[in-house]
Amino acid sequence: DTEVTQTPKHLVMGMTNKKSLKCEQHMGHRAMYWYKQKAKKPPELMFVYSYEKLSINESVPSRFSPECPNSSLLNLHLHALQPEDSALYLCASSEVDWGPYEQYFGPGTRLTVT
Amino acid sequence: SQKIEQNSEALNIQEGKTATLTCNYTNYSPAYLQWYRQDPGRGPVFLLLIRENEKEKRKERLKVTFDTTLKQSLFHITASQPADSATYLCASMTGGYNKLIFGAGTRLAVHP
Repeated sequence: DTEVTQTPKHLVMGMTNKKSLKCEQHMGHRAMYWYKQKAKKPPELMFVYSYEKLSINESVPSRFSPECPNSSLLNLHLHALQPEDSALYLCASSEVDWGPYEQYFGPGTRLTVT
Repeated sequence: SQKIEQNSEALNIQEGKTATLTCNYTNYSPAYLQWYRQDPGRGPVFLLLIRENEKEKRKERLKVTFDTTLKQSLFHITASQPADSATYLCASMTGGYNKLIFGAGTRLAVHP
């Protein structure tokens, strides 16, 4: 099974809401990632988890809060977002977070902040 | 700063021809480069990885080259088909971590 799943597919939230994005993989990968992608732009790295510990935070605002409950699951908690946070949020995984390993991406969650 | 660039925003070709996409990097020397395909509204899909000591890598109709002198990778799709129409992203790692940075992507359209 080389699939990364993400839920929900679409999410509309107000600026005062709290919501969470979920990501799951069962490939035994020990590195998981969150990316943000705006229209017609490449994915931009937000967070890297390695062996369930946060290893990279690309200076992401605190209204985005990642969590890795176990080696298969990755969450992104959202709170007090701004309209400019509307984007496609992608989760990815790889065997480890170093070396020549490809990343497997999920289908993404399309987030709209109103 | 480290930069990875794909100079062509869009490429239109006729079915059956070879598509060639370019990726250039500056201010660093990546140990390897990766190529991904992305369809609209979907996550990128890994296609090929090439190491700096490999000149060429092939997979079915796909070929990628890595020229460390020119600081460039070329991605070729031979006998292109309309189903190959997508955005193709070049990516490389920075530092020792799997922190991928992506080029802006080239949107390929293959016309029947």
